[in-house]
Amino acid sequence: EVQLVESGGGLVQPGRSLRLSCTASGFTFGDYAMSWVRQAPGKGLEWVGFIRSKAYGGTTEYAASVKGRFTISRDDSKSSAYLQMNSLKTEDTAVYYCTRDPRYDYYDSSGDGYYFYYMDVWGKGTTVTVSS
Amino acid sequence: EIVLTQSPGTLSLSPGERATLSCRASQSISSSYLAWYQQKPGQAPRLLIYGASSRTTGIPDRFSGSGSGTDFTLTISRLEPEDFAVYYCQQYGSSPPYSFGQGTKLEIK
Repeated sequence: EVQLVESGGGLVQPGRSLRLSCTASGFTFGDYAMSWVRQAPGKGLEWVGFIRSKAYGGTTEYAASVKGRFTISRDDSKSSAYLQMNSLKTEDTAVYYCTRDPRYDYYDSSGDGYYFYYMDVWGKGTTVTVSS
Repeated sequence: EIVLTQSPGTLSLSPGERATLSCRASQSISSSYLAWYQQKPGQAPRLLIYGASSRTTGIPDRFSGSGSGTDFTLTISRLEPEDFAVYYCQQYGSSPPYSFGQGTKLEIK
């Protein structure tokens, strides 16, 4: 069974750090990009950032709201992705989900190449509360 | 940055009726970049549609996606009780940020 399990959430004071983990099973983890998405209480979904697979450089992208404070990494040998959160703010309080992101490559009629991602598997989430 | 605006915010319909949910992008995007997700209370979101119109495995054919440019639509042809949930669109193919819309809540009338 394809599964993602997040862990590491909890209560943390503003300004402190927390590291979330996402452990995958049931598929070849290294073949996929992975994302983190969060949802503040009673609010919608917010994309936090993602990490490409090693085949596409293993590079990362972040939302402006977390850039410079959060870092996403991966360890393919452990089928795990991580979200290191530093300088936490009260507005970072949310459920944090990790997702599996397949990449779809295609070519148009001119032969130009394009690609897109989508989030086809979601974990159940882990709750982060930032409060003094 | 591409902003996705969903409408309506809340849609009240009865089982058996047809639901039409809208997602409008602040600038034109490839239809391939548009996905739809469903979220029920207390659950993680799940993927319904990717590439604007491709249903993912296990999604009933009463769900369909369409659109191009800046206007995209999720249609549920005949509502079942389990379809009442919040629906989000997302663009995930152009430059980041890979934003979500603010969601449409589909509630039982």
